[in-house]
Amino acid sequence: GENVEQHPSTLSVQEGDSAVIKCTYSDSASNYFPWYKQELGKRPQLIIDIRSNVGEKKDQRIAVTLNKTAKHFSLHITETQPEDSAVYFCAASGHQGAQKLVFGQGTRLTINP
Amino acid sequence: DTGVSQNPRHKITKRGQNVTFRCDPISEHNRLYWYRQTLGQGPEFLTYFQNEAQLEKSRLLSDRFSAERPKGSFSTLEIQRTEQGDSAMYLCASSRAGGNSPLHFGNGTRLTVT
Repeated sequence: GENVEQHPSTLSVQEGDSAVIKCTYSDSASNYFPWYKQELGKRPQLIIDIRSNVGEKKDQRIAVTLNKTAKHFSLHITETQPEDSAVYFCAASGHQGAQKLVFGQGTRLTINP
Repeated sequence: DTGVSQNPRHKITKRGQNVTFRCDPISEHNRLYWYRQTLGQGPEFLTYFQNEAQLEKSRLLSDRFSAERPKGSFSTLEIQRTEQGDSAMYLCASSRAGGNSPLHFGNGTRLTVT
């Protein structure tokens, strides 16, 4: 089955700097890659997603890139702000339309003012 | 708030007791999912429904776990004879059917088995 590895497990950056989180997946059939942000005690919230027919997607300060050949995808946050501090999870769906997401282990991002 | 609703938010139970959680999905979503999240880990898939049909169950889901969605709306997850290893956050999510529709998660039910 699908396996998703996420790095780093913790990341600390200065406010205003960029943050990058990387994930690799094992199942070449995976075709959907969402990123979720989870604040302490709260629900995971979808912040951006990408499908396998697209190499890059941007939404304001957030971007995701996908390299299907290498089976890795990355989250980029620019101009970081204190409210970006949270745990971020990548995920991959290996079943067409079934949304059986396999999540990475999470990255705890801390933005230092 | 018309998002996914889960009850209760917290449940403390003694080992060996049965517990039941409820999930109310977003009303127009016909897919409903249960995930389990332990501290410091990402959510793990347990099972999912399309309308009232339970279409897939993870091998993680022992026979002590049962989920239902009798009328294709709300769902319940029951754990029988709870064990300390069942302590976790149980997350429900819902989505529209078709393609890769995004999952919307609820706030979860935190289960503590003492």
